[in-house]
Amino acid sequence: LAKTTQPISMDSYEGQEVNITCSHNNIATNDYITWYQQFPSQGPRFIIQGYKTKVTNEVASLFIPADRKSSTLSLPRVSLSDTAVYYCLVALPAGSARQLTFGSGTQLTVLP
Amino acid sequence: DAGITQSPRHKVTETGTPVTLRCHQTENHRYMYWYRQDPGHGLRLIHYSYGVKDTDKGEVSDGYSVSRSKTEDFLLTLESATSSQTSVYFCAISDPGSGRTGELFFGEGSRLTVL
Repeated sequence: LAKTTQPISMDSYEGQEVNITCSHNNIATNDYITWYQQFPSQGPRFIIQGYKTKVTNEVASLFIPADRKSSTLSLPRVSLSDTAVYYCLVALPAGSARQLTFGSGTQLTVLP
Repeated sequence: DAGITQSPRHKVTETGTPVTLRCHQTENHRYMYWYRQDPGHGLRLIHYSYGVKDTDKGEVSDGYSVSRSKTEDFLLTLESATSSQTSVYFCAISDPGSGRTGELFFGEGSRLTVL
């Protein structure tokens, strides 16, 4: 199983771009990289998913280098409401029943 | 939002008593999971199921059992609750055919306190 490593915490100010990097040295060929966001007293929710290069949606961008041993979640112009824990997960391929494990995540605090 | 209901949402019990948490889904997703979340540990997988009556252990399965007799229900049982099982428990579901590989949808959580 691919293990992920993220910074424990990060601080930022409103309006700044935030980049959170996740290391996953043992990622398997068929694994996807998925990021989740969790607010206090709620379950995590999906943000973005990618396999290689760059993926962008209305919320974030995900950058994955060619060797896929790391990935970077980029949040443009954060606001106070982006304060949350962000988890990087190496996701199972469709149709597989592998165990999904989350690390401790990165606590992002956005300051005014 | 995905149709996932956890019950009870809050429970206080005493050491040694059995406890059952229920996860009910209306999405007909094939996979279901139970996680626990504790400060400093993130989310840890307890058990998961990949179909009716098909279950397997996660990384922290000791002291827990599960059952899935119907697609929509996944039960987590603490056979004899201990204080170390005080935690917030999250149920999640996923479906290989959902369009996103392995995307998990989480319930609202069940807060369990064992005195």
